[in-house]
Amino acid sequence: GAVVSQHPSRVICKSGTSVKIECRSLDFQATTMFWYRQFPKQSLMLMATSNEGSKATYEQGVEKDKFLINHASLTLSTLTVTSAHPEDSSFYICSARVIAGAYNEQFFGPGTRLTVL
Amino acid sequence: QKEVEQNSGPLSVPEGAIASLNCTYSDRGSQSFFWYRQYSGKSPELIMFIYSNGDKEDGRFTAQLNKASQYVSLLIRDSQPSDSATYLCAVIWAGGGNKLTFGTGTQLKVEL
Repeated sequence: GAVVSQHPSRVICKSGTSVKIECRSLDFQATTMFWYRQFPKQSLMLMATSNEGSKATYEQGVEKDKFLINHASLTLSTLTVTSAHPEDSSFYICSARVIAGAYNEQFFGPGTRLTVL
Repeated sequence: QKEVEQNSGPLSVPEGAIASLNCTYSDRGSQSFFWYRQYSGKSPELIMFIYSNGDKEDGRFTAQLNKASQYVSLLIRDSQPSDSATYLCAVIWAGGGNKLTFGTGTQLKVEL
């Protein structure tokens, strides 16, 4: 299957700082990437849909000014958590979508564990 | 609010038994259904997808879809301890922009 990488895999930061997370599709081009957040013992919650060359579409309740998404190329999307606070501590996972005819699959990155002190 | 529901478990089965995981969804017009496995601290990995009513088999895994009853299930035959994980059901809603909506997951424990 297609490979999606994320960097960093783990980050610890102080409250008030900004953190950037990168999501790359390594062996395919992805016009659409998705960003999810997962709190302990909970399921994945979609935060936003990132489309190459256009503005991201955010899910209801997700602050677009706090979670900045840039999808500058067909293989890279970034999520920046601005002015992070302890409640932003979570597991952030990106995925990239492959569509071929009726086939529609999302390949997930390994995730980024964010801890805000 | 479109929902995907799963029993959180844990579901415990002995090694070698069949594990049956169930998922119901609220939107009758849903198009695509996925089962993901997630180990603790890791991201989800796709096990199977199913689009049409009936059964779909892949190795030890069988996905079953019943659109009339709005449920999808995953059977794992000859369960192994390495199958112990959380299994997430995900649905793409009709007109939902190809976005996945995940259930809360069922924790499966395969005991020796």
